[in-house]
Amino acid sequence: QVQLQESGPGLVKPSRTLSLTCTVSGGSISSGAYYWSWVRQAAGKGLEWIGRIYTRGNTYYNPSLKSRVNISLDTSKNQISLNLDSVTAADTAVYYCAREGHYSFWSGFYLDFYYYMDVWGKGTTVTVSS
Amino acid sequence: SVLTQPPSASGTPGQTVSISCSGSNSNLGSNPASWYQQLTQTAPKLLIYTNDQRPSGVPDRFSGSKSGTSASLAISGLQSEDEAEYYCAAWDDSLNGWVFGGGTKVTVL
Repeated sequence: QVQLQESGPGLVKPSRTLSLTCTVSGGSISSGAYYWSWVRQAAGKGLEWIGRIYTRGNTYYNPSLKSRVNISLDTSKNQISLNLDSVTAADTAVYYCAREGHYSFWSGFYLDFYYYMDVWGKGTTVTVSS
Repeated sequence: SVLTQPPSASGTPGQTVSISCSGSNSNLGSNPASWYQQLTQTAPKLLIYTNDQRPSGVPDRFSGSKSGTSASLAISGLQSEDEAEYYCAAWDDSLNGWVFGGGTKVTVL
């Protein structure tokens, strides 16, 4: 079955760029109608969605992070990348990648989808500190 | 949080615990709810999708429902292993993004 593994530096200096990679095994990121999301969780806090990318490259970002975030696909390595610019201590969190599975249904004459995060990585902890 | 959940819920073994999730027209009013279970120091796990569907492997003690702009998760026959944080989520058409509830900590007394 599909498995996700996040990786990247555990420590990033303030004002620098946080770069993480999610490696997918057991399936190709370029096949199927899947989105791939990044979600983070600060210590003792709830889940915060960062953004998502479709298998064809379309992206959506959390409006509160949009100016600093970029998510991309590397199909040759079967990886999803996250870059977050100009980090501060507030960006310290556990970062998860997740696959969005889908439920299909007919909406009039076209096929539509409802998505949900069905496969999660174990997460990677990133601390922003000098 | 855009979706509102009670911060805590509790019950004794065998009881039923319900968790509410309140949203608005742009999220739960237009899109289905999903629920995630997060055990201590682990990644979230999908528990319920499209309001009331259970992935394979999730016990039928867990059930979900949605009405209007609110969703609910019920845990019947509560067990000690159900002690965890539970999050609801939905796509928000206005924000064009996922929104989560703040999480509900379930304690088995």
